[in-house]
Amino acid sequence: KNEVEQSPQNLTAQEGEFITINCSYSVGISALHWLQQHPGGGIVSLFMLSSGKKKHGRLIATINIQEKHSSLHITASHPRDSAVYICAVSPTGNQFYFGTGTSLTVIP
Amino acid sequence: GAGVSQSPSNKVTEKGKDVELRCDPISGHTALYWYRQRLGQGLEFLIYFQGNSAPDKSGLPSDRFSAERTGESVSTLTIQRTQQEDSAVYLCASSLRLATEAFFGQGTRLTVV
Repeated sequence: KNEVEQSPQNLTAQEGEFITINCSYSVGISALHWLQQHPGGGIVSLFMLSSGKKKHGRLIATINIQEKHSSLHITASHPRDSAVYICAVSPTGNQFYFGTGTSLTVIP
Repeated sequence: GAGVSQSPSNKVTEKGKDVELRCDPISGHTALYWYRQRLGQGLEFLIYFQGNSAPDKSGLPSDRFSAERTGESVSTLTIQRTQQEDSAVYLCASSLRLATEAFFGQGTRLTVV
């Protein structure tokens, strides 16, 4: 059983659509991270959350600690948002458990 | 530079040879992590360094893998007697301290032929 489950695995959207990616986890955590991996393989940290909600530009991340669930939202999606989005949880901070990622394709 | 730097970016090696991968973390970051990502698979934890504490080596897949870090500086991941199943992208990340945001390098793509 994976400690972190993401859905959907694949997502195709039209430019401008509102996108939601979900992450559920089964372990107690000190923090949850949302990462973006581009086709070239580079990974960028988008958010680190331990409670509540964070917003950065068109990206919004929320976390519900009681329900062990987080969502990543992209408003007004754009083709350059096409990437793999990875949820990672950190139980103690010295290690991450990663979801398998959500592959997003935004069509112009 | 301001980010995590890894070298080389690509490495092709013959089966049985040793390889050394390098990671320069962000200056001042005490925590450093190594991960690998095989083609089509998720990220696997390999090893974690925190300051001068003994590293957490629980993710190293075999005794052919070792890693070193001197203080809070550069880390090297060494793979001895490489096998084809070692082919992967090896990613390094650093964070200011435990349980803070992690920043990833661009990775080293290792191909064992």
